[in-house]
Amino acid sequence: EDQVTQSPEALRLQEGESSSLNCSYTVSGLRGLFWYRQDPGKGPEFLFTLYSAGEEKEKERLKATLTKKESFLHITAPKPEDSATYLCAVQAPTGGFKTIFGAGTRLFVKA
Amino acid sequence: DSGVTQTPKHLITATGQRVTLRCSPRSGDLSVYWYQQSLDQGLQFLIQYYNGEERAKGNILERFSAQQFPDLHSELNLSSLELGDSALYFCASSVGGGGGEKLFFGSGTQLSVL
Repeated sequence: EDQVTQSPEALRLQEGESSSLNCSYTVSGLRGLFWYRQDPGKGPEFLFTLYSAGEEKEKERLKATLTKKESFLHITAPKPEDSATYLCAVQAPTGGFKTIFGAGTRLFVKA
Repeated sequence: DSGVTQTPKHLITATGQRVTLRCSPRSGDLSVYWYQQSLDQGLQFLIQYYNGEERAKGNILERFSAQQFPDLHSELNLSSLELGDSALYFCASSVGGGGGEKLFFGSGTQLSVL
């Protein structure tokens, strides 16, 4: 069964304190690994897609990396506005390319 | 603004009732996805439609049904509602129906069953 596990569940950082979020996945025939950001009461917003092991993507203070079993979202020098829930998702051909989400990591950045 | 429109934003109803949630995808997107998000379950995939046809099915209850119309908007019907159906329901859309595509989410419908 396709599965996505994210850790930690919650992360509290001081402004400027860099850290990483983890996403472990078990899926047959990965078609893509996605990172989304979700603010309270809003729909998830797309950040990155990674397709193969070794791939990296960057956007402002965020950098996503992918291995054969996990992905990391590195946050460099975070700011309070980076506070949100970060969701990892995988897409596989099993059952028609459905996108399966992890439970998310809630990030709190204090000024 | 993602371009995906969901109505209504809030819905309060009683147990045993039936409700319909509506979603208009982004212009040009052929796929529509429905997700349920509750505090203890996270984002759960319900169902996907591509150009009017059911493409993938997740953990959707038999009391729930959906369809995509010729103009590509979609409706999610929830019947015989139970307290546990209270959740945030999201619609998302993508250009095609195949793999590797990012999803664009609407702002959700908050359903409260009393």
